[in-house]
Amino acid sequence: KQEVTQIPAALSVPEGENLVLNCSFTDSAIYNLQWFRQDPGKGLTSLLLIQSSQREQTSGRLNASLDKSSGRSTLYIAASQPGDSATYLCAADPGENNAGNMLTFGGGTRLMVKP
Amino acid sequence: GAGVSQSPSNKVTEKGKDVELRCDPISGHTALYWYRQSLGQGLEFLIYFQGNSAPDKSGLPSDRFSAERTGGSVSTLTIQRTQQEDSAVYLCASSLRGLEETQYFGPGTRLLVL
Repeated sequence: KQEVTQIPAALSVPEGENLVLNCSFTDSAIYNLQWFRQDPGKGLTSLLLIQSSQREQTSGRLNASLDKSSGRSTLYIAASQPGDSATYLCAADPGENNAGNMLTFGGGTRLMVKP
Repeated sequence: GAGVSQSPSNKVTEKGKDVELRCDPISGHTALYWYRQSLGQGLEFLIYFQGNSAPDKSGLPSDRFSAERTGGSVSTLTIQRTQQEDSAVYLCASSLRGLEETQYFGPGTRLLVL
């Protein structure tokens, strides 16, 4: 059974800092790895999706990497801003051909960027 | 275009009552998912609908939970004889064709069972 872990559970940084959020998964047979953002009282917003054949994806100040063999993904946020404050979730997707075809989510990292 | 919408946004009910939660997916999306986010439990998968195929109900925690999707669009999640441990945020998501694609999430329904 896939297990996804995110470290740290909470992070507080001053505005402008670059930061890294970590995600690890136990079963490397994934189809893709997804990062989401969740603001308080709201649903999830998809940030980046990395296919298993890719090493990284970039969107603006966000860069996500994937190392399937070691079961790790990182989300790098450059020049953090107070508006980045949210909970960040990663999720492993086993794909259509694997049993238990559902996203498995990590517990999230709660990020606070202080002005 | 409009995103995934859910109603109600908040629901308070008494233990033992039945509740219905509604999800309107993005128009044209054939896949629909329900998740539950409990305090301290993280996000867990409940059920997955794909077109006219039989739904994947493997995540439903008990037979008190059921869901249907009418006309391949709107979905209703029903919880019968609610228990206090059912209190959680229930999130719905949709994707264009199915798994392996980006899922777009609604704002959730916050359920509190007293």
